[in-house]
Amino acid sequence: EPEVTQTPSHQVTQMGQEVILRCVPISNHLYFYWYRQILGQKVEFLVSFYNNEISEKSEIFDDQFSVERPDGSNFTLKIRSTKLEDSAMYFCASSDGVVEAFFGQGTRLTVV
Amino acid sequence: SQQGEEDPQALSIQEGENATMNCSYKTSINNLQWYRQNSGRGLVHLILIRSNEREKHSGRLRVTLDTSKKSSSLLITASRAADTASYFCASLMNRDDKIIFGKGTRLHILP
Repeated sequence: EPEVTQTPSHQVTQMGQEVILRCVPISNHLYFYWYRQILGQKVEFLVSFYNNEISEKSEIFDDQFSVERPDGSNFTLKIRSTKLEDSAMYFCASSDGVVEAFFGQGTRLTVV
Repeated sequence: SQQGEEDPQALSIQEGENATMNCSYKTSINNLQWYRQNSGRGLVHLILIRSNEREKHSGRLRVTLDTSKKSSSLLITASRAADTASYFCASLMNRDDKIIFGKGTRLHILP
């Protein structure tokens, strides 16, 4: 079964530092997503990306966040100046926009 | 707004018993997936059922989909301690490209 790969699995960063979370979506998928889950809470939508631009974003996805597809395979989420409340699991997902969608295993971000 | 809503929110059963979790959704979907998440860990994809399928099996897992009722169920047979986790349904909606997650059912298997 194809899979979405996320790296690193765990990232610890100092408050105020920039972090980049990386995702390799499934190769023939066209839609990409980032979700966040604060420990013990529900999975929240952050942003969707299609055709090299953001197609939808939530109110959580403020100016501190950005997404990029720097090459043909990676999809990244950047947090410019991390805050303590950014500590969460971040999940990447990709879909063909029609039938299938899969999530990665997640990156645990800990801001100290 | 959340599309998928699982129930029950929490479920405790004895090891060896069957566990049934339900998920309801509001609008048309292309498929529905179930994921498992151990506490504080990542998502593990369990099973995908397409909108034209009614039932699917994978090992001890059985998923049903009733598009007329906009609901799905996940049955875990002969539960084991290792099945203790949260279980989420997620659906890819027809009309846009968003994947919607439910809030999850916390399953606890008692020894």
